[in-house]
Amino acid sequence: EVQLVESGGGLVKPGGSLRVSCEALRFTFSNAWMSWVRQAPGKGLEWVGRIRSKSDGGTIDYAAPVKGRFTISRDDSRNTLYLQMNSLKTEDTGVYYCITAGGGLWGQGTLVTVSS
Amino acid sequence: DVVMTQSPLSLPVTLGQPASISCRSSQSLLSSDGNTYLSWLQQRPGQSPRRLIYKVSNRDSGVPDRFSGSGSGTDFTLKISRVEAEDVAIYYCMQTTHSSTFGQGTKLEIK
Repeated sequence: EVQLVESGGGLVKPGGSLRVSCEALRFTFSNAWMSWVRQAPGKGLEWVGRIRSKSDGGTIDYAAPVKGRFTISRDDSRNTLYLQMNSLKTEDTGVYYCITAGGGLWGQGTLVTVSS
Repeated sequence: DVVMTQSPLSLPVTLGQPASISCRSSQSLLSSDGNTYLSWLQQRPGQSPRRLIYKVSNRDSGVPDRFSGSGSGTDFTLKISRVEAEDVAIYYCMQTTHSSTFGQGTKLEIK
């Protein structure tokens, strides 16, 4: 079964950093455009950013609230997507989902809590 | 940024009755490649979202045929022909033509 498995969430203080990861299982990750989506507690879905496949240029787009603080990267040799989050704010708290960019496959999510 | 506006935000429906959710985008979702990248997602309580419909009207594998999508340009609709208890969820539209954005979500409940 194809699957996305996130890890690395946790509790971090405001201003701190955290890296979450997403391992892709049983599909051709290197060809996939991938996105991160987050969901604050009790709220809707918010797109964080997207990375294209290397064959399509590997370029990255970010949502305005995270631009300059978050970095998306990929390691195709490890079938893994990353989200490096710096200068974290309390409003970054939520479940972070790794998804294929068209929304066809979602991970189970990993909870990031930013609190003092 | 493309703004996606869903209505209604709350949808009480009697079992066996139809339901309809509207999604409007602030600009056309027709891509330069001729496709319209509008999807519908279902998020049941306590679960990750799951895509039901892609490119306006194509059902994903395993999605019951009581779910259908339609629309073009900036106006889109998700219809459920006969609501079942398992359809209780929040439904989101999602566009991926211009980066990506989501609608606010529509909470479907049984009346």
